[in-house]
Amino acid sequence: EDKVVQSPLSLVVHEGDTVTLNCSYEVTNFRSLLWYKQEKKAPTFLFMLTSSGIEKKSGRLSSILDKKELFSILNITATQTGDSAVYLCAVGSGAGSYQLTFGKGTKLSVIP
Amino acid sequence: SQTIHQWPATLVQPVGSPLSLECTVEGTSNPNLYWYRQAAGRGLQLLFYSVGIGQISSEVPQNLSASRPQDRQFILSSKKLLLSDSGFYLCAWSVLNGYEQYFGPGTRLTVT
Repeated sequence: EDKVVQSPLSLVVHEGDTVTLNCSYEVTNFRSLLWYKQEKKAPTFLFMLTSSGIEKKSGRLSSILDKKELFSILNITATQTGDSAVYLCAVGSGAGSYQLTFGKGTKLSVIP
Repeated sequence: SQTIHQWPATLVQPVGSPLSLECTVEGTSNPNLYWYRQAAGRGLQLLFYSVGIGQISSEVPQNLSASRPQDRQFILSSKKLLLSDSGFYLCAWSVLNGYEQYFGPGTRLTVT
């Protein structure tokens, strides 16, 4: 059974801090790892990492994938209160159905 | 651009009543479609996915069912709701043979 574990489960930081969120996985036939941000409602897509794209960056957010050690990290620099959300990690495996297995998420709270 | 709609946004139903949640996608053809449930404190659980009209795969045995009567329409149903069916239901789409999934706004279901 595919497994995705995120840590920490929750995190409280002050504005301006840098945070690192972790995601480890055990899946058969790994194909991709995705990060989502979930505020009040629907998760919104942030990044997808694959064997051909192990590092992504967008503004203050960046992510890397370590396929050897089976983990990914999401970094957020100079955090703002608008970064407060649950961050979800998901892994896609090559079962032919393009399904994703999600972790339980990391709840990030950024206080002024 | 692509848009995904879900309705209703919130729903309160008594135990034993039927359920019908609808999801439609605009701006794309032949999408993969997914139904997820997110219970409090838990990750996203895949319930059903579909790769085409009339093609439904179930991930979790339960009293829910799904149908795809049209290319861009996905319906989640139940004949008799249980208390354990309460949760946040999310519909998502991806391009055929793609892992990036995009989520609708969700339906918060409370079974009383």
